[in-house]
Amino acid sequence: AQKITQTQPGMFVQEKEAVTLDCTYDTSDQSYGLFWYKQPSSGEMIFLIYQGSYDEQNATEGRYSLNFQKARKSANLVISASQLGDSAMYFCAMRTPLGQGGSEKLVFGKGTKLTVNP
Amino acid sequence: DVKVTQSSRYLVKRTGEKVFLECVQDMDHENMFWYRQDPGLGLRLIYFSYDVKMKEKGDIPEGYSVSREKKERFSLILESASTNQTSMYLCASIGSRGGTGELFFGEGSRLTVL
Repeated sequence: AQKITQTQPGMFVQEKEAVTLDCTYDTSDQSYGLFWYKQPSSGEMIFLIYQGSYDEQNATEGRYSLNFQKARKSANLVISASQLGDSAMYFCAMRTPLGQGGSEKLVFGKGTKLTVNP
Repeated sequence: DVKVTQSSRYLVKRTGEKVFLECVQDMDHENMFWYRQDPGLGLRLIYFSYDVKMKEKGDIPEGYSVSREKKERFSLILESASTNQTSMYLCASIGSRGGTGELFFGEGSRLTVL
């Protein structure tokens, strides 16, 4: 069964420093996608970054990068130069095909609450 | 703007009532999902659908059912609401396999069952 594990319930980082949020996944599929979402206190889900299982290079989007280690089944999110506005919940998720005419399943981890200190 | 719209932001229902949560997307997406979000538990998948009239159980389907009569609309039904179904419910949709992987979310429906 597909599963996402985020082992850090909470993380603290000083403003302007880099932080890594851990994510490991479990799937027997060869084709899958991994992504990260940010959820600030307002509750909206903000898409950050996506990595396909066949992508050879790590995905980057501005200050966000995804450290994809396929053999270890990890997809850690790295935020460089943290800002106060980065304080939020962060969710790692995985999409996997189910084989029925384009159906896909998406599962999420429990999330990591990041606090950026001034 | 692409949009996923959930019919109610806040609902208060009584135990035993039947509850309908509606979700509509305007992106012609095939796949739609219902999650519930609870503190410390993340987003848990209730049901999902990859086509009209097609549905699949997620990880916590007990106590819920769904309906997808039209491609753009995916409804979550609580046949007999219970207090342990008090939660934030999030609807989401995604296009065909591949692409950027972006999942589009609705604003959420916060349900309180008394």
